[in-house]
Amino acid sequence: GEDVEQSLFLSVREGDSSVINCTYTDSSSTYLYWYKQEPGAGLQLLTYIFSNMDMKQDQRLTVLLNKKDKHLSLRIADTQTGDSAIYFCAESTLDMGRRALTFGSGTRLQVQP
Amino acid sequence: ETGVTQSPTHLIKTRGQQVTLRCSSQSGHNTVSWYQQALGQGPQFIFQYYREEENGRGNFPPRFSGLQFPNYSSELDVNALELDDSALYLCASSWGQGNQETQYFGPGTRLLVL
Repeated sequence: GEDVEQSLFLSVREGDSSVINCTYTDSSSTYLYWYKQEPGAGLQLLTYIFSNMDMKQDQRLTVLLNKKDKHLSLRIADTQTGDSAIYFCAESTLDMGRRALTFGSGTRLQVQP
Repeated sequence: ETGVTQSPTHLIKTRGQQVTLRCSSQSGHNTVSWYQQALGQGPQFIFQYYREEENGRGNFPPRFSGLQFPNYSSELDVNALELDDSALYLCASSWGQGNQETQYFGPGTRLLVL
């Protein structure tokens, strides 16, 4: 079955690093995504990683993937107040020709000045 | 901005009514997926349309239906609305079928059922 789990809340100080964690269960996932959602808005794609990669870096964002443990993390360096939002981890699996995303419940990141 | 647009932005309906939500996909994308996001939850997959055909469905009843048009825009129809249908409805567009189909989301339609 498919299930994605995330911790609900993370609070950091401005300038610190934030690490948001996610676990997934579907070993056939080919891509894993991180989306950001600000209040009242849709989902903004932040980054994604292919399942045969261990790490991907994109400016302040670093994604680490431990496929053995089915653990994904998103590190945000030099966290800013504008990073305050809900972050969703999602796995993408190909099933009968269609690709759907299975999301976690989201981690609310609060950045304190 | 993803180029994915949705209308209306907000909608209030009463129980038992029907609603149609609309989505225009990003230019060049031929696949539209619909998701329901209840308050405090992650989005849940409703169904996907590829080249005007339904191409997979999540755990939603038949009163949730849809269409995709030749220009790849899409509609989500919900009949016999229930209170629990109150949610943010998100559409996402992507290109093709294959190993990598990154989905880009619109801003959503917030539906309130009274």
